[in-house]
Amino acid sequence: QVQLQESGPGLVKPSETLSLTCVVSDYSMTGDFFWGWVRQPPGKGLEWIGSIQHSGSTYYNPSLKSRVTMSVDTSKNQFSLNLSSATAADTAVYYCARLTWTRYFDHWGQGVLVTVSS
Amino acid sequence: DIQMTQSPSTLSASIGDRVTITCRASQSISGWLAWYQQKPGKAPKLLIYKASNLEIGGPSRFSGSGSGTEFTLTISSLQPDDFATYYCQQYKSPPWTFGQGTKVEVK
Repeated sequence: QVQLQESGPGLVKPSETLSLTCVVSDYSMTGDFFWGWVRQPPGKGLEWIGSIQHSGSTYYNPSLKSRVTMSVDTSKNQFSLNLSSATAADTAVYYCARLTWTRYFDHWGQGVLVTVSS
Repeated sequence: DIQMTQSPSTLSASIGDRVTITCRASQSISGWLAWYQQKPGKAPKLLIYKASNLEIGGPSRFSGSGSGTEFTLTISSLQPDDFATYYCQQYKSPPWTFGQGTKVEVK
């Protein structure tokens, strides 16, 4: 059973870069799946941020594309998210997840709360 | 972007009730729809994919139907573990988008 675990700072200052890592366990990232990030502001719904393949091929939500960078390190079986120029609107629980080849999310990490505040 | 709209936003129900949640897409998504259950403080959990396929291990009281622009999630007999928020997600075309959620609460 694949497991995903997010890590990163829980507090980010405005205008700085929000950086998170997701470690994948019990499944090789070189398999036939995609890997992605979804966020959820407190009390609100879910927003897909972007996805990446083990090859490094990425697709980002156009609403965030100018600020998002994702990368993958298959040697460590992990992938990362960078969101630049953070504002209070980026305060959310950030989930990493596995996407099937058709692009629904079949496994999720437990989530990490990131607060953007000075 | 494809907009997903769920109704109702909140649903009050009792144990044993049959519960139906609707999800509408702003354009046809064929059957490319998933349903998730989320409990407070927890990650979403996949329930249904391709509109009507129950994820392995999912309780058989959950079922999904629909195609095109209108979809439903049905709980045949509501159990205590089912009080949660439910989200639909389209994966017909990116960006992948979710409905705003339907909270099933105790009546």
